[in-house]
Amino acid sequence: ETGVTQSPTHLIKTRGQQVTLRCSSQSGHNTVSWYQQALGQGPQFIFQYYREEENGRGNFPPRFSGLQFPNYSSELNVNALELDDSALYLCASSLGGRFYEQYFGPGTRLTVT
Amino acid sequence: EDQVTQSPEALRLQEGESSSLNCSYTVSGLRGLFWYRQDPGKGPEFLFTLYSAGEEKEKERLKATLTKKESFLHITAPKPEDSATYLCAVPQNAGGTSYGKLTFGQGTILTVHP
Repeated sequence: ETGVTQSPTHLIKTRGQQVTLRCSSQSGHNTVSWYQQALGQGPQFIFQYYREEENGRGNFPPRFSGLQFPNYSSELNVNALELDDSALYLCASSLGGRFYEQYFGPGTRLTVT
Repeated sequence: EDQVTQSPEALRLQEGESSSLNCSYTVSGLRGLFWYRQDPGKGPEFLFTLYSAGEEKEKERLKATLTKKESFLHITAPKPEDSATYLCAVPQNAGGTSYGKLTFGQGTILTVHP
C-alpha cells in the first residue's frame, strides 16, 4: 500500500510569486484535504476535494485554490504569496464516507522571502 | 465555532516517568476525536480514533481515553523515542454537511530524557 506523497519537499519563493504544491493520495483513497501548519501551531484546514469537486473550505482567501485529478491526486495553488504564507503545507487523504479518518503526507515546507 | 485546547504546551519527562496529556474540546455532536503524533518537519502520524465517552484505545506505551468534554493520552514508562509533538483533532460540524475539516489543538511537545 502506497502512502500519501507530496512534492516538492522544500520550496523558497519571493513575495508576490505564485506556487503549486502537489499531492498523491494513499492507494484506494478518493478524498484529499489540504492544511497549513505555521511553526508551533496545529494544522489549519484549507479545503477538501472529493471526486474532483471542492467539498468544504476553511477561512483562507481565494488566492488559495486547488484541483483534484481523475486519479485523485491534487494540487494546491497559492497566488500573490505573502510572507505569512511561510508554513508547512500538509496533504491528507481519506475515503469518501470516512472523510475524517485522514492520513497525512510528509508536507511541503514553503518559505516566502 | 468548535475549539480544541491541549495542555500542557510542553512536557519534559525522564525515561520511565509516566504522565498524561490533555485535550479538551467544545463541539456540538462529537463525531470522533483523533490523536496524532508529529515528528519535527514531518506530517502527523495517525495514532487513535475515539468515538464515544468511555472508550479507550491502546498502542504500545500509549493509551487514549475519552470523556464528554476531554480526552487524555496516557504515556506509560516513556522512552526517548516517544519524544514528539502530540496533536488532537475533532471533526468540524457544518450544519449536517459531511466533509472532512479537522480542527486541531496546538499540540503538546513531549521530550523524554534518557
